[in-house]
Amino acid sequence: NAGVTQTPKFRVLKTGQSMTLLCAQDMNHEYMYWYRQDPGMGLRLIHYSVGEGTTAKGEVPDGYNVSRLKKQNFLLGLESAAPSQTSVYFCASSSSPGLAGEVVTQYFGPGTRLTVL
Amino acid sequence: AQRVTQPEKLLSVFKGAPVELKCNYSYSGSPELFWYVQYSRQRLQLLLRHISRESIKGFTADLNKGETSFHLKKPFAQEEDSAMYYCALRSGYSTLTFGKGTMLLVSP
Repeated sequence: NAGVTQTPKFRVLKTGQSMTLLCAQDMNHEYMYWYRQDPGMGLRLIHYSVGEGTTAKGEVPDGYNVSRLKKQNFLLGLESAAPSQTSVYFCASSSSPGLAGEVVTQYFGPGTRLTVL
Repeated sequence: AQRVTQPEKLLSVFKGAPVELKCNYSYSGSPELFWYVQYSRQRLQLLLRHISRESIKGFTADLNKGETSFHLKKPFAQEEDSAMYYCALRSGYSTLTFGKGTMLLVSP
């Protein structure tokens, strides 16, 4: 199993350009997440999805859009990139909590380092 | 609102010294807490969670509801423990709130 993979690994954009980050998981997980990691800020949740065709806003959703057309993929889009979006982006996935609401582990991808000039 | 506070950005110790990485939380419900670790140039991975009451790589963490803390401890640090450590709180049915992280540096 590859686990959680992210494409691309690195990208440099100019202000105003658009791009899409792809996250794929082969663990048949229901839940997927996009985070950004910034120095001194930790990880902040951008958007997440609890199943195919669903998305929800996290802590810092502005400037990003997401889509979950297939269960195994979760796309993060930047329509008009800004320097403030320079960051490392992590995708994660998890299975859904069971009937007892037990806690599940999130599995992370290797990250995408994005620089917006 | 839920919040996770890791007061130290950097903790530097010598090999063999005890380590305590602090984590405090704010949450109105029954908390579920985790420690994640990120070694250099690697992805984040779960280290341990409080409900399991486990010890991983010599690390332990006890949930103290009175002090709203979930400090990570290891009696004798090793150089390979050098990494970024994140404390996380389950903040919804399926989401986590992370602290800002503490970088642990273990010197020989």
